[in-house]
Amino acid sequence: DAGVTQSPTHLIKTRGQQVTLRCSPKSGHDTVSWYQQALGQGPQFIFQYYEEEERQRGNFPDRFSGHQFPNYSSELNVNALLLGDSALYLCASSPGLVTDTQYFGPGTRLTVL
Amino acid sequence: SQKIEQNSEALNIQEGKTATLTCNYTNYSPAYLQWYRQDPGRGPVFLLLIRENEKEKRKERLKVTFDTTLKQSLFHITASQPADSATYLCALVVGGTSYGKLTFGQGTILTVHP
Repeated sequence: DAGVTQSPTHLIKTRGQQVTLRCSPKSGHDTVSWYQQALGQGPQFIFQYYEEEERQRGNFPDRFSGHQFPNYSSELNVNALLLGDSALYLCASSPGLVTDTQYFGPGTRLTVL
Repeated sequence: SQKIEQNSEALNIQEGKTATLTCNYTNYSPAYLQWYRQDPGRGPVFLLLIRENEKEKRKERLKVTFDTTLKQSLFHITASQPADSATYLCALVVGGTSYGKLTFGQGTILTVHP
């Protein structure tokens, strides 16, 4: 059983560009959350998707948007990239909204130059 | 303002000793608190969960306590091994409409020396 998978592993972009990151949840999981982890910091909650809708959102600007597909996979889009967007982006999945444990993927390392 | 803080950035101990990591929070009323392990370049891995009405949880060499009066959780690794070296993160969940949203501390880097 594959766990949470994310692509790509690494990505380098320049300021002002746009980026799309992808996540496939663990088998049987229908809820996907995205987190941003800056170097030396804990992950910060970006948003959560369930039934193809954004259910919760953290303190991130509208440049961060997402999507969930009928097969429960998800995308995170970031527009107008800033240097400060450089981070490890983590996807976590869980079986339902009201659940205790989330399973994290390996992350996508985004570098903005 | 709301804060969740882990006691130190780094903790160094000798193999065989007990590692104790601290997580303090202010202006939160968590429904439960979790501890995760994160290795370099990898995603966090769930270790233990403790609910607001529980005082202590154990799993093999791991123990977590939760004191809602002190607003503190302690995480213990007994008989530590070099393989336990990693970053340990605490995360809380408030509950209600925020159920499923994890709020993390900054992490403590644990190094166990042989």
